[in-house]
Amino acid sequence: EIVLTQSPGTLSLSPGERATLSCRASQSVSSSYLAWYQQKPGQAPRLLIYGASSRATGIPDRFSGSGSGTDFTLTISRLEPEDFAVYYCQQYGSSPTFGGGTKVEIK
Amino acid sequence: QVQLVQSGAEVKKPGASVKVSCKASGYTFTGYYLHWVRQAPGQGLEWMGRINPNSGGTNYAQKFQGRVTMTRDTSINTAYMELSRLRSDDTAVYYCARGIGSAWGIFDYWGQGTLVTVSS
Repeated sequence: EIVLTQSPGTLSLSPGERATLSCRASQSVSSSYLAWYQQKPGQAPRLLIYGASSRATGIPDRFSGSGSGTDFTLTISRLEPEDFAVYYCQQYGSSPTFGGGTKVEIK
Repeated sequence: QVQLVQSGAEVKKPGASVKVSCKASGYTFTGYYLHWVRQAPGQGLEWMGRINPNSGGTNYAQKFQGRVTMTRDTSINTAYMELSRLRSDDTAVYYCARGIGSAWGIFDYWGQGTLVTVSS
């Protein structure tokens, strides 16, 4: 099983700032089968990024993904009020696993 | 529009079983895998397994092998997840999600979640 470790656990930022979230895999994720989800309290997760860097339908271009192998990054270029949430990475090159999440909170 | 509508909250005693349903609409039910993901209170997401609604074939996470059964009824576009021998740490919100894309898939549409509480 591929273990995904997300850091930091919590990111305290102000609206308009840049957020950089990390996801590290215990072994190489084949063909960059890495996705990112956003989850707000009481809601189901929402797909943001797949294939490490492709935005899902309707996702604003302030969200971008990068990385390959074992190191992946989700960047939110300028935080909007609605972006404060928990973010999860997921690998799907083998039996799916999720990272533990990064909470982006208002500073 | 694509919708996944799940059954309501359940309260079960330890050792019992629970069966959660997920009714799909707005797309061809047999054309996409249906996955189950759970989330314990205040915790992260955990993949449980998937079912191919066309063939009925299943893949389960090793952790749940022997305790989980995923089935489907194509006549009513509904998938089911049954978890047996419930323990207190099975208390969680259980989600169904449509799988798309390559390899094991990503999840583009999710149900609203079903809270299962296991308590004596």
